Amino acid sequence: KAGVTQTPRYLIKTRGQQVTLSCSPISGHRSVSWYQQTPGQGLQFLFEYFSETQRNKGNFPGRFSGRQFSNSRSEMNVSTLELGDSALYLCASSLGTSGNWELFFGEGSRLTVL
Amino acid sequence: GQNIDQPTEMTATEGAIVQINCTYQTSGFNGLFWYQQHAGEAPTFLSYNVLDGLEEKGRFSSFLSRSKGYSYLLLKELQMKDSASYLCAVKDDYKLSFGAGTTVTVRA
Repeated sequence: KAGVTQTPRYLIKTRGQQVTLSCSPISGHRSVSWYQQTPGQGLQFLFEYFSETQRNKGNFPGRFSGRQFSNSRSEMNVSTLELGDSALYLCASSLGTSGNWELFFGEGSRLTVL
Repeated sequence: GQNIDQPTEMTATEGAIVQINCTYQTSGFNGLFWYQQHAGEAPTFLSYNVLDGLEEKGRFSSFLSRSKGYSYLLLKELQMKDSASYLCAVKDDYKLSFGAGTTVTVRA
């Protein structure tokens, strides 16, 4: 079956702009998690959605937001971009129920902020 | 919160064995995962431990001691393609928290 699909794969923005990233999970997966990956910090948890509800949120400022649609597709938005937001943003899907925690990652969206 | 520690880098020769240690302190525990990530690629699942003991999967094995907050990933018969970053991750109620990753370099 198709894997996790993220779009766009690469994008360049300037400071102050906003960006929206999209993630289509594996069919049947209701949980979508977002992570930010930078060379120094590793994978940092942003948030997780399950059945259109945000179940958990990491320690990121309010400029980072997300949502999930009824078909489980998810988007994340970063407003008022800063240079430090340059990173690889990874989306991961899972069944999201007890005992089914394995995450399947997409290829990521690489954001460069100039 | 979560605190997950693993070494930054390890180097080994082809055919050898390497053990990557991971220690964790977490507010909740629903299992420990190991992921492999090649440069420029997405992380891929290697193993999952929720009970104490050793899980073996071909050349890769993972061990967990919940009382010690300790796990290791053992890579045997190293191949050049094993050069990658190895990520230790702990599952609490709703999220996986990752360590910074261990970069393993396999030399001929």
